[in-house]
Amino acid sequence: AQSVAQPEDQVNVAEGNPLTVKCTYSVSGNPYLFWYVQYPNRGLQFLLKYITGDNLVKGSYGFEAEFNKSQTSFHLKKPSALVSDSALYFCAVLNDYKLSFGAGTTVTVRA
Amino acid sequence: NAGVMQNPRHLVRRRGQEARLRCSPMKGHSHVYWYRQLPEEGLKFMVYLQKENIIDESGMPKERFSAEFPKEGPSILRIQQVVRGDSAAYFCASSPSGYPYEQYFGPGTRLTVT
Repeated sequence: AQSVAQPEDQVNVAEGNPLTVKCTYSVSGNPYLFWYVQYPNRGLQFLLKYITGDNLVKGSYGFEAEFNKSQTSFHLKKPSALVSDSALYFCAVLNDYKLSFGAGTTVTVRA
Repeated sequence: NAGVMQNPRHLVRRRGQEARLRCSPMKGHSHVYWYRQLPEEGLKFMVYLQKENIIDESGMPKERFSAEFPKEGPSILRIQQVVRGDSAAYFCASSPSGYPYEQYFGPGTRLTVT
């Protein structure tokens, strides 16, 4: 079965500093990878996806992710974090039509 | 363009009652998915439906849970004889095609069983 792992439960950064949220994948064949963000008591918002093509994927709200096949990683990045980026972030892989999510990483950006 | 709509947003049921959760997909989307978020288990797939068809219900508990997506109207997730362990956030998502498009999520229904 295809799966993703998020090795960090929490990430804390200062506003204005770079933000990285890590994700590694285990798949057979070509992976279809996604990042979602969840704010408290809200649904998941789609940020970006990797299907094929360029390894650097740009998404919403200034986020981007780099697909690295040799390291089987798909880390989410933002050059300059905002306090409003504080939320729960999920990496996911598409298994046929079903999304399999990582455990999530709580991001806290301090002012 | 309205997003995925779910209602109710919060639902309280006593043990043994029935819970009905409704989901209207985004306009133009014909594929609906239900996920459940439990505090200790994370976000898990439950069922995938197209109009009048259940495509995959491999994530659904074998008993008490059912889902439908009729030709007209919203998708319904039904939980009969609820128990405390059913307390969770239930999310509906939709996509324009099953694969490999991204899925767009609704705000969720938070079910509390007392």
